[in-house]
Amino acid sequence: GIQVEQSPPDLILQEGANSTLRCNFSDSVNNLQWFHQNPWGQLINLFYIPSGTKQNGRLSATTVATERYSLLYISSSQTTDSGVYFCAVARGKLIFGQGTELSVKP
Amino acid sequence: EAGVVQSPRYKIIEKKQPVAFWCNPISGHNTLYWYRQNLGQGPELLIRYENEEAVDDSQLPKDRFSAERLKGVDSTLKIQPAELGDSAVYLCASSPPIEGRAQFFEQYFGPGTRLTVT
Repeated sequence: GIQVEQSPPDLILQEGANSTLRCNFSDSVNNLQWFHQNPWGQLINLFYIPSGTKQNGRLSATTVATERYSLLYISSSQTTDSGVYFCAVARGKLIFGQGTELSVKP
Repeated sequence: EAGVVQSPRYKIIEKKQPVAFWCNPISGHNTLYWYRQNLGQGPELLIRYENEEAVDDSQLPKDRFSAERLKGVDSTLKIQPAELGDSAVYLCASSPPIEGRAQFFEQYFGPGTRLTVT
């Protein structure tokens, strides 16, 4: 089946720093979503981005479907950005990566 | 707009006991999903409904798990009997109606039910 790999597995930042999270997938997909799972376990939709670039405030995402990767950019990080970031691709069903655990220190 | 609602939020049971989880999707969303998320991993699909029909239940352990969505709106997931390995977070998600040939629309997740089996 399709493989979804996220990197890095964990990341520690000082408040105000920028970061880039990567998602690689092994085959063509119908769509791709980025989620943030907050410390209370709620999965929050960040982007629905099968291709191209989208921005929402301090967050932006780019998917290059032909090269089978997506990037999530977080600028001027805040402590509330802490949690796990998941990339999920659709190929018959939504398949999640293992996540990147982000910790933003004040 | 109200989000996906799940109850209970937490459940602790002894092994071999039954347990049930309830989900009410976003209004107008005809596709409903149940996922299981083990600690430190991403969610994995258990079952997908299109209206009241289960169209993908290949990952549902049918010997002990069952699900229903009788009127095509809310859904119940049941485990009977529960085993220690069933401890996990059970997530429900929903999507709006599919248009054209697109297979998957954006999925919206509920807060989950954290199950602990002792």
